[in-house]
Amino acid sequence: AQSVAQPEDQVKVAEGNPLTVKCTYSVSGNPYLFWYVQYPNRGLQFLLKYITGDNLVKGSYGFEAEFNKSQTSFHLKKPSALVSDSALYFCATYNYGQNFVFGPGTRLSVLP
Amino acid sequence: DTAVSQTPKYLVTQMGNDKSIKCEQNLGHDTMYWYKQDSKKFLKIMFSYNNKELIINETVPNRFSPKSPDKAHLNLHINSLELGDSAVYFCASSQDRHRYYEQYFGPGTRLTVT
Repeated sequence: AQSVAQPEDQVKVAEGNPLTVKCTYSVSGNPYLFWYVQYPNRGLQFLLKYITGDNLVKGSYGFEAEFNKSQTSFHLKKPSALVSDSALYFCATYNYGQNFVFGPGTRLSVLP
Repeated sequence: DTAVSQTPKYLVTQMGNDKSIKCEQNLGHDTMYWYKQDSKKFLKIMFSYNNKELIINETVPNRFSPKSPDKAHLNLHINSLELGDSAVYFCASSQDRHRYYEQYFGPGTRLTVT
């Protein structure tokens, strides 16, 4: 089983609307969960992480994510999307072998 | 100043050749990584070094050999290049090997094998 899944290949949202990019995980215990963003022809940039504590994590560029242990989810959210948020988003965690694994990525398109 | 840098940015070569990609980080981090991103954008870890010591070696052909001359550098040498090696290779670093540290990525090296 995949350690982290992103059920949507693509998400489209209008500028100014809230956005959600979904992520579910399947590792045991308390997971360390991360979100990264990749702009075209660029490396990945760290957005935010959940290690422990408050389930709502705030990160860069107005993004936040909510850790939900019962649903094994860590969805990325932003109250008001910008066209410049259009990019590829990766959820990541550590698998059973203690290696860092990325989800398959979700392409976010924010339409003007 | 670029935190994690890679050279070259683009690399086009023929099958059977040997090539190297260099990576340097100026963040003072102890741990460095190599990732491969395929044409479908899937990212997979290849290697990880902590203070010049290999700590992760995923199922990668032994044609790939990482070398860490010091903790600020992690180079990737590839022998006998194959068409399937075409991908974008990313170097990354983190403060140390503890799992709660985020990673900082370089801009990537796009390798094309013809």
